[in-house]
Amino acid sequence: GEDVEQSLFLSVREGDSSVINCTYTDSSSTYLYWYKQEPGAGLQLLTYIFSNMDMKQDQRLTVLLNKKDKHLSLRIADTQTGDSAIYFCAERIIGAGNNRKLIWGLGTSLAVNP
Amino acid sequence: DTAVSQTPKYLVTQMGNDKSIKCEQNLGHDTMYWYKQDSKKFLKIMFSYNNKELIINETVPNRFSPKSPDKAHLNLHINSLELGDSAVYFCASSQGSGSLFFGEGSRLTVL
Repeated sequence: GEDVEQSLFLSVREGDSSVINCTYTDSSSTYLYWYKQEPGAGLQLLTYIFSNMDMKQDQRLTVLLNKKDKHLSLRIADTQTGDSAIYFCAERIIGAGNNRKLIWGLGTSLAVNP
Repeated sequence: DTAVSQTPKYLVTQMGNDKSIKCEQNLGHDTMYWYKQDSKKFLKIMFSYNNKELIINETVPNRFSPKSPDKAHLNLHINSLELGDSAVYFCASSQGSGSLFFGEGSRLTVL
């Protein structure tokens, strides 16, 4: 099946690290993405990882991919109040008819407490 | 310069009316999308167009009709609006199956 799951809520203290987890079911994934949605705004691409990589680091963001367990995580170091947002995990798969489609998680709402 | 722009940003209307939301992208992308985000923030794809051709049409009532006059525009027309159509509608674009770039959203409220 095609499913991407994330926990719906995460609360952390300012300055701590946040880890947002995502699991997926389809093994034909090519790319996996993290998008950020701030209140009242559209989704912004934060980072992505190719399915044959296991880690990608970009400043405060670290993406880890465990392809065997179909598990993706986003770690935000030194979390700031400006990181409060909804974080969506998405998987690019090859669907029926060789169609590349994006499967979205339901989003994890990150609350950063001062 | 806004990459993906949608108008209007807010739309309040009565049940039974017909309304349109417009979307334009200046990124030179060949694929455009409409997504619906409900009050719980769940995101669902509605349509996808590649080079003005419909390639994804999820289970959406036929009251919703997308129109793509050219590669840079994808408009969404909704007939006979219902209360359940209230949501935020996001337009997005990509180059092929690359990363998506989203507009700021159009919040539709049906009274």
